[in-house]
Amino acid sequence: DGGITQSPKYLFRKEGQNVTLSCEQNLNHDAMYWYRQDPGQGLRLIYYSQIVNDFQKGDIAEGYSVSREKKESFPLTVTSAQKNPTAFYLCASSMSRDYITDTQYFGPGTRLTVL
Amino acid sequence: AQKITQTQPGMFVQEKEAVTLDCTYDTSDPSYGLFWYKQPSSGEMIFLIYQGSYDQQNATEGRYSLNFQKARKSANLVISASQLGDSAMYFCAMREGRNFGNEKLTFGTGTRLTIIP
Repeated sequence: DGGITQSPKYLFRKEGQNVTLSCEQNLNHDAMYWYRQDPGQGLRLIYYSQIVNDFQKGDIAEGYSVSREKKESFPLTVTSAQKNPTAFYLCASSMSRDYITDTQYFGPGTRLTVL
Repeated sequence: AQKITQTQPGMFVQEKEAVTLDCTYDTSDPSYGLFWYKQPSSGEMIFLIYQGSYDQQNATEGRYSLNFQKARKSANLVISASQLGDSAMYFCAMREGRNFGNEKLTFGTGTRLTIIP
């Protein structure tokens, strides 16, 4: 089945620790994205990547880092510099052929809690 | 200023009735796309329907239709014959412009829809 997988589903982090959230897609999509969702709010863009080995900061990139070594994979690291990392993290991908009609498809999400 | 406004935090609708979820947007760009997503309690965002700013007709996808009123900057989602499985959060989102660097989707704060049996 084609789709986007995220792991783990739930993640607990102690203060001061870095953690990495996994995102993999087998849709052959060029673009991948990371969003953060806080309770009662919409999604905010953290980072996105249009091609391998290239990525751009979104609106709330501080305290996060990413890599795009393979087309299928776009891991997100939440560093200790992120002051309030407890949130729901969603990964998305899209074909990115036409920027207006390009539809983003989402994974099931990872819920991160800082203890 | 908010780019996407969803004024209904929550709605309760009787099963089998039609429901309209409101979305207004703000942009000065002539080229933009509007998207609706459904988020069930599981958390995954499910794409429902898309409307482009140059589309002459309202988009439809099964029981979903988009009431697009360009002059009013309104893109309301209409769900016909609601079902219990429609209970979820619904988000309106917009992408502006055709230039590289405008890949971002801007989301509204969502509407929680509850279908009553």
